[in-house]
Amino acid sequence: EIVLTQSPATLSLSPGERATLSCRASQSVSSYLAWYQQKPGQAPRLLIYDASNRATGIPARFSGSGSGTDFTLTISSLEPEDFAVYYCQQRSNWPLLTFGQGTRLEIK
Amino acid sequence: EVQLVESGGGLVQPGGSLRLSCAASGFTFSSYAMSWVRQAPGKGLEWVSAISGSGGSTYYADSVKGRFTISRDNSKNTLYLQMNSLRAEDTAVYYCAMGTDHAGYFDLWGRGTLVTVSS
Repeated sequence: EIVLTQSPATLSLSPGERATLSCRASQSVSSYLAWYQQKPGQAPRLLIYDASNRATGIPARFSGSGSGTDFTLTISSLEPEDFAVYYCQQRSNWPLLTFGQGTRLEIK
Repeated sequence: EVQLVESGGGLVQPGGSLRLSCAASGFTFSSYAMSWVRQAPGKGLEWVSAISGSGGSTYYADSVKGRFTISRDNSKNTLYLQMNSLRAEDTAVYYCAMGTDHAGYFDLWGRGTLVTVSS
């Protein structure tokens, strides 16, 4: 099983600041990595797929990078609605999928 | 409208069974693999199971293998998850999910149905 480890567990920032979230895989997943945003009481929303491609309707302030085992989600300038929990997910050995444990982005 | 709607959750005793359903609409259901993903209260996301578009191939997380069975009825546009020998650690919101454009990534989710395993 491919294990995804996200860091930090919690990130405290203010609106307008830049957020950098990390996801590390226990073995290479090539570029087969996605990022999701989840708000309380809602289903997750796909933000980024294949490491760096924005999903339909996702604002340009969200960007993804990385390949192999190290990946980053960057939010260039935080909006109030961006404070949520973020998960990475690999599909390298689809259909056996795994998620990271999540990073909570909170308002400082 | 493209949507997934789960049902069938509820309270069940340890060792009991429950069947979840996911009704799909707005797209050609049989063309897409489908998955179940769960989230325990206050915890992260866990992929549970997947099934091919035809239903001929099924896949399970080790945590549910041998206890859960995924199936689909393409004539009814419905996905199922039969859960047997339920344990307290199976308590979670269960989502059905799929990738409309990219297999293995989930860009369409239902709202989820809560399963509580408790005596």
